[in-house]
Amino acid sequence: DIQLTQSPSFLSASVGDRVTITCRASQGISSYLAWYQQKPGKAPKLLIYAASTLQSGVPSRFSGSGSGTEFTLTISSLQPEDFATYYCQQLNSYPPWTFGQGTKVEIK
Amino acid sequence: EVQLVESGGGLVQPGGSLRLSCAASGFTFSSYDMHWVRQATGKGLEWVSAIGTAGDTYYPGSVKGRFTISRENAKNSLYLQMNSLRAGDTAVYYCARGVIYDSSGYYFDYWGQGTLVTVSS
Repeated sequence: DIQLTQSPSFLSASVGDRVTITCRASQGISSYLAWYQQKPGKAPKLLIYAASTLQSGVPSRFSGSGSGTEFTLTISSLQPEDFATYYCQQLNSYPPWTFGQGTKVEIK
Repeated sequence: EVQLVESGGGLVQPGGSLRLSCAASGFTFSSYDMHWVRQATGKGLEWVSAIGTAGDTYYPGSVKGRFTISRENAKNSLYLQMNSLRAGDTAVYYCARGVIYDSSGYYFDYWGQGTLVTVSS
């Protein structure tokens, strides 16, 4: 099974900061990676698929990049509503459809 | 508007059984793969099962032989029959829609609000 490792697991940032989260795959997954945002008590929300394609309705301050084994999610200017936990998911070799362990973004 | 609404969660003793349901609306249910994903309190997301449009099913090793996913297209409903439940199965269970794009691309685009399953004596 393909393993995904996110870094950092936790980050503290201020409104307006540029934030980058990394997701590394244990083997190449081409561009078959998605990013989700989850707020406490809520279901995950799809932000990005195909590594860099923004889901409809997602603000343009979110962007994704990468291919192969290393991927990044960037928030260009952190907004109050962006404080949440972010997960990557590989969709290249399935089943299983595996997720990273999550990155919690908190207010500094 | 796409909606997924889970139900059927609750408290069950170790070794017991529970059946979760997911009612779908706002899209052609029979045309999409469907998934169950769970999340233990304070933990990450774990994919639990999937069913394709042709009824093909998939499970990770942690639940294979204990959980059964099924769908009833006429009722726009997805199910998860969970048997031989363990404390480690305690989690919020989400249903999610799987989308195929291009030749092999995939993502989960809509998720329900989740239903809590607690396995405890």
